Amino acid sequence: QVQLVESGGGVVQPGGSLRLSCAASGFSISSFGMHWVRQAPGTGLEWLSFIKYDGSDKKYADSVKGRFTISRDNSKNMVYLQMNSLRPDDMAMYYCAQETGAGDHWGQGTLVTVAS
Amino acid sequence: DIVMTQSPDSLAVALGERATINCKSSQSVLYSPNNKNYLAWYQQKPGQPPKLLIYWASTRESGVPDRFSGSGSGTDFTLTISSLQAEDVAVYYCQQFYHPQRTFGQGTKVEIK
Repeated sequence: QVQLVESGGGVVQPGGSLRLSCAASGFSISSFGMHWVRQAPGTGLEWLSFIKYDGSDKKYADSVKGRFTISRDNSKNMVYLQMNSLRPDDMAMYYCAQETGAGDHWGQGTLVTVAS
Repeated sequence: DIVMTQSPDSLAVALGERATINCKSSQSVLYSPNNKNYLAWYQQKPGQPPKLLIYWASTRESGVPDRFSGSGSGTDFTLTISSLQAEDVAVYYCQQFYHPQRTFGQGTKVEIK
């Protein structure tokens, strides 16, 4: 059974850092591009970042470029999102997603709260 | 970036009636080499992550009831719920997966009239 489980969310002060993790099971991420998407409370979906199956290409939304870094460890079947210089408007549910070429499959999400 | 625009923002439909949601992309998401539209529809219920309903504009994901259907090509797409059920109350999003930089419609909230 394909499953993605995000972790690493929590409460952080403005200017702080968090590292989110996405553990995949039921499939090998080494064949798939992976994404991070977030959803602020009561709002829509915002794509944040993409990493190619082998890590050779990465893309970022303008809103997080220079602050967030996506990475992956195919040997551990894990994807990561390092988030630095966090701001109050980064507060959201963060999802990782597997791209299959036939739509994306999502995890349950991890909540990030940015507050002093 | 491809801008995705949904309409309406919300709609209320009686149980058993048809619900129709439209999605327009600012650029074509039709990939000519395989003639597939890289357009997906997701359903999101409160407190849950988005669930893939339809991909390639009209292919239902495994397990999705056949009252859900998708149509359209190029830049104009439609999600239809042929006979609304109580469990279909949710927010629906279209998404282009033509580019790695995914973009989403703003969402359409479907409620029972």
